[in-house]
Order: sequence, then structure tokens, then C-alpha cells
Amino acid sequence: GIQVEQSPPDLILQEGANSTLRCNFSDSVNNLQWFHQNPWGQLINLFYIPSGTKQNGRLSATTVATERYSLLYISSSQTTDSGVYFCAVEYYGGSQGNLIFGKGTKLSVKP
Amino acid sequence: DAGITQSPRHKVTETGTPVTLRCHQTENHRYMYWYRQDPGHGLRLIHYSYGVKDTDKGEVSDGYSVSRSKTEDFLLTLESATSSQTSVYFCAINGEQSYEQYFGPGTRLTVT
Repeated sequence: GIQVEQSPPDLILQEGANSTLRCNFSDSVNNLQWFHQNPWGQLINLFYIPSGTKQNGRLSATTVATERYSLLYISSSQTTDSGVYFCAVEYYGGSQGNLIFGKGTKLSVKP
Repeated sequence: DAGITQSPRHKVTETGTPVTLRCHQTENHRYMYWYRQDPGHGLRLIHYSYGVKDTDKGEVSDGYSVSRSKTEDFLLTLESATSSQTSVYFCAINGEQSYEQYFGPGTRLTVT
């Protein structure tokens, strides 16, 4: 099956710093999403981005489908950005919404 | 926020007992999913539904069954709970024209 690898597994930042999280996937996909799981366990959808670039405030994401990777950028990080960031993909030809998750990047933002 | 609730939010049960978890949505979305989250594994799909009475297996379906008799409710049943089913269970939904998936608050299940 398709493999989804996220890097780095852990990241510690000082408030105000910028960061880039990476998601590599091993096969063609027709659906890629980024999620944030906050320290209370809630999963929040950040982006649906099977290709191209999107921005939402301090967060932006880019997916290069032909090279099988996606990047999540966090600028001017805040303590509320702490948590785990997941990349999830639906492989090309898979059933709608059957997402395969990576193991996540755990981000800690220090004040 | 997507209108998704899960019940119960926490449950402790003994090995061998049946357990049913409920996911309720107010969005009238066609697709519903059950995932489990375990340390070191991320989230893994258990079962999903693409309409009333239409369900299928996901990656880790052994030991679980599901039912969907109404659009708004998707039930996950552990017929005979085992300690390996101790986990956090998440329900998710997405609409037919929208690929974004939205998650419920989760249910923490402990099997002793």
C-alpha cells in the first residue's frame, strides 16, 4: 500500500520562528489533507491540497504531486500552534475519503 | 465547526464485553468514517460508510462491525472487547462534493 512519511518527527521552536513540515508519499494521490491535532486531542482540518499552493493566515501549504511531496509552512509561530500535524492521502483509485495518515510531526512552540 | 458528536466520550470496560460507540452528524453528509488512534501508528481507518446501509472495511477492521440505519448516525461495535482495542476512536465525515474531512471529538476507550 501507499506509504506516507512525515518529517521531522519532533520540532521545538521559539515563539515567532518559522518552520517547514514535510510529507512524502510513495504513490499517486488524488486527495491530500493536512490536519492539526491540538493538545486536547481535537483534529482540525487545515488544508485540502492535492496539488498547488494555498494560504490561510500564517499557514500555507504546497503540494508537488509529480514529485510526491507536500510542505506545510508555519510563519511567526505561536504557542497555540503546538500539537501534532498530520498529513493524510487518498491514493489514486482508492475509495473516496479513505485517508492514509502519516505518523505526524509533533510541534512544541516555547514562549 | 462541523456538527459531529460522539458518545460516550470516555468508557472503561472489561475484556469480553460488547461495546457500541455512536457518531452523530447534523450535516446530512453521505460519507462517514471510523478511525482509531494509537501511539506510534497515527490514525488508521476501521470502517467507512458511503450511505445508509452501505458500509465497507478499512485497514484495521478485524474485531469491529458497523451499522448505519440513518444518514445522521454511524455506530461502531466491538462484539467482544479485547485489551488491544484500547484506543482513542474518532469519527469523521465529508460531503459528496467536498473532499475535506472533519472529525468528531473522539472517544477514549479502555479495555481492562
